Amino acid sequence: EPEVTQTPSHQVTQMGQEVILRCVPISNHLYFYWYRQILGQKVEFLVSFYNNEISEKSEIFDDQFSVERPDGSNFTLKIRSTKLEDSAMYFCASRSGTGGAPQYFGPGTRLLVL
Amino acid sequence: AQSVTQLDSQVPVFEEAPVELRCNYSSSVSVYLFWYVQYPNQGLQLLLKYLSGSTLVKGINGFEAEFNKSQTSFHLRKPSVHISDTAEYFCAVSERNNNDMRFGAGTRLTVKP
Repeated sequence: EPEVTQTPSHQVTQMGQEVILRCVPISNHLYFYWYRQILGQKVEFLVSFYNNEISEKSEIFDDQFSVERPDGSNFTLKIRSTKLEDSAMYFCASRSGTGGAPQYFGPGTRLLVL
Repeated sequence: AQSVTQLDSQVPVFEEAPVELRCNYSSSVSVYLFWYVQYPNQGLQLLLKYLSGSTLVKGINGFEAEFNKSQTSFHLRKPSVHISDTAEYFCAVSERNNNDMRFGAGTRLTVKP
């Protein structure tokens, strides 16, 4: 069964450094998402992406964040200058289309900013 | 925009007892509804979904949920839980006219022996 994959599984970085989190969505999916979950808290929507552009973003998704689909398979989240409060689990998700198609989630990348 | 409220942040229950995890949503349009489960140190896994038709939907691991439009609820139930059901459960809603999903705060189900 096809799955969403994410790399790396864990990343430790220094405050102010740039990080890139990578995701490979399910191959025939068209909609892509990033979510964040701070330890012990709810899953928070960051951004949705369709047809090579952002379709919606939350208040969390400020100028420090960007997303890209550099080729036909990868979907990346870049944090330009990490802050301590960016420490969280980041989940990528994809879905095939509309009509109630569910989102399928990757296993997540645990980011720790020191 | 849509929103989801999960009324219980934690639900402790003994093994083999029934359980209900509550979820209410708010939306001005028709919605799709989902329950996801997150086991410790893992990602979110789809449990079940309501798109249309029968208001009682069955999912994996013996879970079911009932859509109640008048009460704007989508409560998750299982008649007899196992230790292995210990996890975080998230209710989610997606409006039919957009592609985005919003999650509730989650309910931590702890099944005790």
